[in-house]
Amino acid sequence: DGGITQSPKYLFRKEGQNVTLSCEQNLNHDAMYWYRQDPGQGLRLIYYSQIVNDFQKGDIAEGYSVSREKKESFPLTVTSAQKNPTAFYLCASSETVYTGELFFGEGSRLTVL
Amino acid sequence: AQTVTQSQPEMSVQEAETVTLSCTYDTSENNYYLFWYKQPPSRQMILVIRQEAYKQQNATENRFSVNFQKAAKSFSLKISDSQLGDTAMYFCAVADTGTASKLTFGTGTRLQVTL
Repeated sequence: DGGITQSPKYLFRKEGQNVTLSCEQNLNHDAMYWYRQDPGQGLRLIYYSQIVNDFQKGDIAEGYSVSREKKESFPLTVTSAQKNPTAFYLCASSETVYTGELFFGEGSRLTVL
Repeated sequence: AQTVTQSQPEMSVQEAETVTLSCTYDTSENNYYLFWYKQPPSRQMILVIRQEAYKQQNATENRFSVNFQKAAKSFSLKISDSQLGDTAMYFCAVADTGTASKLTFGTGTRLQVTL
């Protein structure tokens, strides 16, 4: 089945450690996105990528980094510079950045102790 | 900058009844897209319905329909014949047509469908 796979589903880390969240899609979509979801705040865009080897900052990129070396993969690293990393992270993709429909993964819950 | 406001944090509806979720937005663009996404307890977001701002006709998708009032910047979602499976968080979102998949989301409305 085509879709987006995020791993791990749950992740616990100590403060000060970098963490990488995986996102893989087999939909052959050009564009991929990372959103952060906090209670009462909806979804906020962290980074997005229109094509391989290209990515752009979203609204809350500070403390995060991404790479897009392959079309199907868009990993997100939560660095120690992110002041409040505990959140639910959602990866999404779309055919292009212009098509207007996002397909989401099931999310990763990161808890920093 | 675009903003989306959902003023109803929680709503409840009985099975088979109709419910309307409110959404207002602000954008400086003349051409844009509006969306309603559903997030069930599994937490995977699913597109419910989409509206292009240049279309006057309200979008419909089976039991889901919207009331799009462009001048008022209002985009409400009507769910008819509510089902238990409609229980979820519902998010309204807007994106300009230049980057139609860069969505700005509202804070969501939690809908509970009861027997």
